[in-house]
Amino acid sequence: DAGVTQSPTHLIKTRGQQVTLRCSPKSGHDTVSWYQQALGQGPQFIFQYYEEEERQRGNFPDRFSGHQFPNYSSELNVNALLLGDSALYLCASSTRTGSPYEQYFGPGTRLTVT
Amino acid sequence: TQLLEQSPQFLSIQEGENLTVYCNSSSVFSSLQWYRQEPGEGPVLLVTVVTGGEVKKLKRLTFQFGDARKDSSLHITAAQPGDTGLYLCAGPYFGNEKLTFGTGTRLTIIP
Repeated sequence: DAGVTQSPTHLIKTRGQQVTLRCSPKSGHDTVSWYQQALGQGPQFIFQYYEEEERQRGNFPDRFSGHQFPNYSSELNVNALLLGDSALYLCASSTRTGSPYEQYFGPGTRLTVT
Repeated sequence: TQLLEQSPQFLSIQEGENLTVYCNSSSVFSSLQWYRQEPGEGPVLLVTVVTGGEVKKLKRLTFQFGDARKDSSLHITAAQPGDTGLYLCAGPYFGNEKLTFGTGTRLTIIP
């Protein structure tokens, strides 16, 4: 049973560029949440997707956007990258039929903005 | 502002010792999860507590949910080097489904 997968593992971008990160949820899960984790801190909630719609959003600017596909996989897009966007981006999946708060995380994508 | 505070922020102890990590908030949780994260990896779910006063055990780890559902603790007995990692509590507040994470406790067990 495949767990949550994310790609790419690492990414280096320049200020002002745009980036797309990808996530495939755990088998049987229909909800995907994205988090940003700065070095030495706990993850910060970005947004959550269910039924291909954004359901919840944290305190992140509109430069952060996302999408969920019919197969439940998801993308996180960040436009006009800033140095402060450098972080580990985590994807977590869950299911509404079980406990939606028990989230299973992928290994993350390490984004470095130079 | 909803805030989950964990203490201590850093903890370094010898193998075989016992330790307790705390997670506190001024708001009420509908449930609370504990995760462990190792460097370069995503958090791994350890346990979920739901009922006020609930105690759950996972081998040498004991998790307790406060009676008022505003706090939780993680107690490790006879710590081992494999327990090293970042311990995170997280929970959804009543009326809000998004998961809010604590500030984290970085635990190092010295062989």
